[in-house]
Order: sequence, then structure tokens, then C-alpha cells
Amino acid sequence: DTGVSQDPRHKITKRGQNVTFRCDPISEHNRLYWYRQTLGQGPEFLTYFQNEAQLEKSRLLSDRFSAERPKGSFSTLEIQRTEQGDSAMYLCASRGTSGRGDEQYFGPGTRLTVT
Amino acid sequence: GQQVMQIPQYQHVQEGEDFTTYCNSSTTLSNIQWYKQRPGGHPVFLIQLVKSGEVKKQKRLTFQFGEAKKNSSLHITATQTTDVGTYFCADSYSSASKIIFGSGTRLSIRP
Repeated sequence: DTGVSQDPRHKITKRGQNVTFRCDPISEHNRLYWYRQTLGQGPEFLTYFQNEAQLEKSRLLSDRFSAERPKGSFSTLEIQRTEQGDSAMYLCASRGTSGRGDEQYFGPGTRLTVT
Repeated sequence: GQQVMQIPQYQHVQEGEDFTTYCNSSTTLSNIQWYKQRPGGHPVFLIQLVKSGEVKKQKRLTFQFGEAKKNSSLHITATQTTDVGTYFCADSYSSASKIIFGSGTRLSIRP
């Protein structure tokens, strides 16, 4: 257990439905990342927060994806009008303040299946 | 865009044999991080290399960063069944920015 939690762990949804995932990072970490991972691939960067500010967003991320970190603590990732191609593992990672350790601590992930 | 490539994609070795995975980039890498992901698990941080030509060891694992900071390698001596998993390198642009992962090398071991 890295101290990063994600909820739910599994989500099955029908195409066209909206889904929302939650990530609770390590409490003292101000940096938070979302990744998507498909079978046989490395984690693909989606977006990055420093405190409550979303500082970077992948150009691969369509307008159907949105992420928030309203109080600089937990974060949510929402996918609207899901498509079968959205099926993947969604990973959240947290990282300490710059200069205090660069390792990322990953949560267990949320596995999304779109039918 | 910036890409980090890893070879080989798969490696199947006899327990006790050595294993090496290579990470390459066409552009200069900032900092290299290495992660291990067990089957069904999430990536776990192993180490970060920052300096050109840097070599770090963790027990049977040896990590190297190329002189030109365009490649890196992970070498495992005398593999054990606990080494099974996928090893990823990742380029950390800067300490405050996104991290780009390679596609990984999956290691399997014959007991």
C-alpha cells in the first residue's frame, strides 16, 4: 500500500454513459498525476496538478475528459460519453514537493470497461 | 513528440541468468526514473538517475545513465522469480512536470 487510494477499483459502464473516478493522494504531496494504461503499454500521461492548479494536460486527451482537484487534496477524473476505446486502467500518482523527492507513488488504479 | 523507447519488449530467462533492458530517446533525457510493475499491480518506483554517466546499484540491480543522456539501462544479475514483472523507464522533464513512460520490458523467468 503506497498511501494513494483510488475509487472505484473497477467500473463497468455502457457506451455513452459518464463515469467519474476519485484519487486520494498521500496527504503531504502537492503534485498529482493521472495516467491511462492499456495492456502491454506503459502508463500514458493524461494530466498533472500542482496543488489545485492543473498545469499540464495531454494533447491526446479529448474534450470528453476533465479532471479537477478543487482543494488541492483529492482529485476526480470524469469521462463523458464513454467510448469502447476508453477501456483501460486509470492510474493516479502523487509526488512530493519539488526538491523533496521525485518518486511517484501510484495508486492501485481504476479499471474501466466500456461495453 | 518526445518518445522513450525500450527494448526488448519481452525477455524470458532461466532463473539465475542475467537480464538487461535498454531505454533510448532521440532527444536528451532530463532525468530517468525506473519503475517495476508486477502482474496485476501498479508501477513501483525503483530509482532516479540525474547525472550524465551516472551508475547506481541496488543489490542485484544496476542502473546506468548514458554519457549523452539519451539512453539508460537496467541490469539484473542472477535473476530470481521475484524479479518477474514489467520494467519501465520514464523521462521526467523536470521535477515539476509530466513524466513520459517507455513501453516497458516484460521479464518472465523459468524456475
